[in-house]
This record gives sequence, structure tokens and C-alpha cells, in this order.
Amino acid sequence: EAQVTQNPRYLITVTGKKLTVTCSQNMNHEYMSWYRQDPGLGLRQIYYSMNVEVTDKGDVPEGYKVSRKEKRNFPLILESPSPNQTSLYFCASSLEGFGTSSYNEQFFGPGTRLTVL
Amino acid sequence: RKEVEQDPGPFNVPEGATVAFNCTYSNSASQSFFWYRQDCRKEPKLLMSVYSSGNEDGRFTAQLNRASQYISLLIRDSKLSDSATYLCVVNTPGTYKYIFGTGTRLKVLA
Repeated sequence: EAQVTQNPRYLITVTGKKLTVTCSQNMNHEYMSWYRQDPGLGLRQIYYSMNVEVTDKGDVPEGYKVSRKEKRNFPLILESPSPNQTSLYFCASSLEGFGTSSYNEQFFGPGTRLTVL
Repeated sequence: RKEVEQDPGPFNVPEGATVAFNCTYSNSASQSFFWYRQDCRKEPKLLMSVYSSGNEDGRFTAQLNRASQYISLLIRDSKLSDSATYLCVVNTPGTYKYIFGTGTRLKVLA
């Protein structure tokens, strides 16, 4: 089954304790992205990756890191989480990340609900 | 002005009604447009891409108006199961970024 998976689905942690949220897709997609969703603010893009070893900042990258060593995986790293990073996080992937074709239709993972105390 | 704007609603409509949402975007060079559906705190799911000529999928019709810089979603014969939040998404031209609207909430009432 074609899908995007994220782990963990729920996480409660404390300020300053490094954590990683994994994201994996099995569709051989070039483009992957991380979003956070907060009430009243909608989904905001954190980082994206156009291909292996190619990443760039989205609109809210502060406090996050990413890496893309393999095509299928795109982990999100919080080196020193803070309470303002409490949010619902989504990973997404698409064949490409630009253009007018249907190749940039994104498919989303189930989400990770993170609480930082 | 926000890059992508939607009326948050909620739109409360009876079953069987026709309802339409608009979404305005600020960058006239935007090229890719999408409508996603999101059920309460679950992942967004692609409803349809929006093409220049407009497109239809069953009860759903999407239109693009480049002159006025908005896209629309029309839902005919609303079902209870259509109750959800509808997200408008625009691909930022010249970049690989996607901008989401904050969503329009639809409630279909029995």
C-alpha cells in the first residue's frame, strides 16, 4: 500500500530533551516536506527536500533540523525542544515539488502530536 | 495581506444543498492549486487539483480565476460525510514551497 508513515504518533517530552520524528514514504517520491499545524494558523511548512541531500527552509524552520540521506526517509529533529514547539506535525511527499502537473500533489502521513512541557 | 486566504466558516448547510467556497491568493505568478479535505486533527487528504480549465470529480467542481486570483470549490448534493475542513493550497512560484490557507469548515446538517 502506498503510504507515508510517521513515528511516533504521540509524544510528550520535556524542554531541552532532543527528539527525532521519523517520516518514511514508499512511493519513490522526490519531494518530502514537514509541516506543523496550530489552531488558527493552519499548516505551515517547516522544511522541505527536493531530493536526496537537498533540503531547504520553509516558513518556520527555527528550532528544527532535517536530513535526507535516503530517498524514502526524512526525519525531523528537535535539538532542544521548547513549549512553543508543541503542535501537530505532518510529513508529506510528492513526486515533484513544483510545476503545474499533478506530480506535485502531496500525500500526508497520519501526523505526530507533540507536547513539550 | 495573507498569501492565501479562506473564509473560516463554519458553513452550516442542510443535506442536499449546494455550497461553494472561495480561496484568494496574493501571488499572481502562482501555478499550482489544490483543495484538500481535513477531518478533525487528521491528515489532510487531496480532494482535487485545480486546473486552468476547471475540473470536476463527481459532486465536486473546482475552478480557477486567474484574473481575480481565486480558486473555488463547489459541492453539489451535500452529504453528512462532507462535513470537514477544506484547505486551499498554493504552490509558491519559483520555489518548492506550499502555502496553505487556514481552512473553511463545513457542517452538513441532517
